[in-house]
Amino acid sequence: KAGVTQTPRYLIKTRGQQVTLSCSPISGHRSVSWYQQTPGQGLQFLFEYFSETQRNKGNFPGRFSGRQFSNSRSEMNVSTLELGDSALYLCASSLDSYTGELFFGEGSRLTVL
Amino acid sequence: AQSVTQLGSHVSVSEGALVLLRCNYSSSVPPYLFWYVQYPNQGLQLLLKYTTGATLVKGINGFEAEFKKSETSFHLTKPSAHMSDAAEYFCAVSGTGANSKLTFGKGITLSVRP
Repeated sequence: KAGVTQTPRYLIKTRGQQVTLSCSPISGHRSVSWYQQTPGQGLQFLFEYFSETQRNKGNFPGRFSGRQFSNSRSEMNVSTLELGDSALYLCASSLDSYTGELFFGEGSRLTVL
Repeated sequence: AQSVTQLGSHVSVSEGALVLLRCNYSSSVPPYLFWYVQYPNQGLQLLLKYTTGATLVKGINGFEAEFKKSETSFHLTKPSAHMSDAAEYFCAVSGTGANSKLTFGKGITLSVRP
């Protein structure tokens, strides 16, 4: 069974630009969560989607948004990029019932110059 | 709200020595507790989890953890460290139900000396 796939793996943007990251969950998984990982703040929860609905949201500004499609694939978007948005963005999927057993992708590493 | 505290950011052990990574949690409801491992340039992988039942939980790669409610702890141990155990380890907590999210600790980097 294929794992969680995130694209792109690496990208470089400049301040003020926007970026869209994509995540394909494990087949059959209906929940997709996004996390931001930085050396200073560690792993911070962005949001979780389940059956195309945002079920939970972390404490990030409105520049961070996401969505989930009917096939459970998810995208997250960051608009008006700031230097502090440089991070590893991790996507994780899980089955419909929430048990905390998340399956992570390898992440998308965003560098903002 | 749930939270976890992982004291220290780096632990170094010799190959063959005991590994002990500490985690304390705070939760207003009976928690679900987890340990995840992250190898360089990879995502996180579940090592083990505690939901209900037996308080001593065995995971992959010889790791285990014991849930101690009286101490609000969920420390990770391995009797004998291997070079391949070098990685970053995260303790995490969640509540139960559809609106629970996984909250991670800051992580501990484990180094293994030959």
